[in-house]
Amino acid sequence: RKEVEQDPGPFNVPEGATVAFNCTYSNSASQSFFWYRQDCRKEPKLLMSVYSSGNEDGRFTAQLNRASQYISLLIRDSKLSDSATYLCVVNDYGQNFVFGPGTRLSVLP
Amino acid sequence: EAGVAQSPRYKIIEKRQSVAFWCNPISGHATLYWYQQILGQGPKLLIQFQNNGVVDDSQLPKDRFSAERLKGVDSTLKIQPAKLEDSAVYLCASSLGTGGFYEQYFGPGTRLTVT
Repeated sequence: RKEVEQDPGPFNVPEGATVAFNCTYSNSASQSFFWYRQDCRKEPKLLMSVYSSGNEDGRFTAQLNRASQYISLLIRDSKLSDSATYLCVVNDYGQNFVFGPGTRLSVLP
Repeated sequence: EAGVAQSPRYKIIEKRQSVAFWCNPISGHATLYWYQQILGQGPKLLIQFQNNGVVDDSQLPKDRFSAERLKGVDSTLKIQPAKLEDSAVYLCASSLGTGGFYEQYFGPGTRLTVT
């Protein structure tokens, strides 16, 4: 079983749609969690950290379920500029960061 | 604030040749990472430095890959000899400290093609 797994995608959604991505991780000792965004042929950039209580940043909401070892990212009112690959990242506090394979999103006009 | 700098941006070599990549992290960032990202996959950590010491190199193929950060600032990653499966983007990242709560900032990457 891979350490971090994500929805395979791609997701093709119309502008204004709500889309959710899921991520599962295998190491129960994992301490910190992130969503990164990677545009085509660009470097990854931090989108948001994921806290135990869940957190929201504008149109983006991240949730963590430690019992199920599951992380989600919800994007509301999708924009064309949201088209990118979304990477789920898990860290074992002090150990290495493990990236998931990414889920590609295309927002269509 | 200047970001993470990497060079070269692109490199094409034949298999069995050697290649080196350079990274200059954000000023003041103690932790430096090298990642390998194969097309269609997420980045995979190769090596992590804290200042000039290695924190984690468990996924570095040490028979052909080496990395150093001699003065605790910039770093080089070398592949010798290269194989076809080394074709990937090599990303350098830096953060203020080690541990999972520091944001990583990535450079633009070096795209390596091995023919």
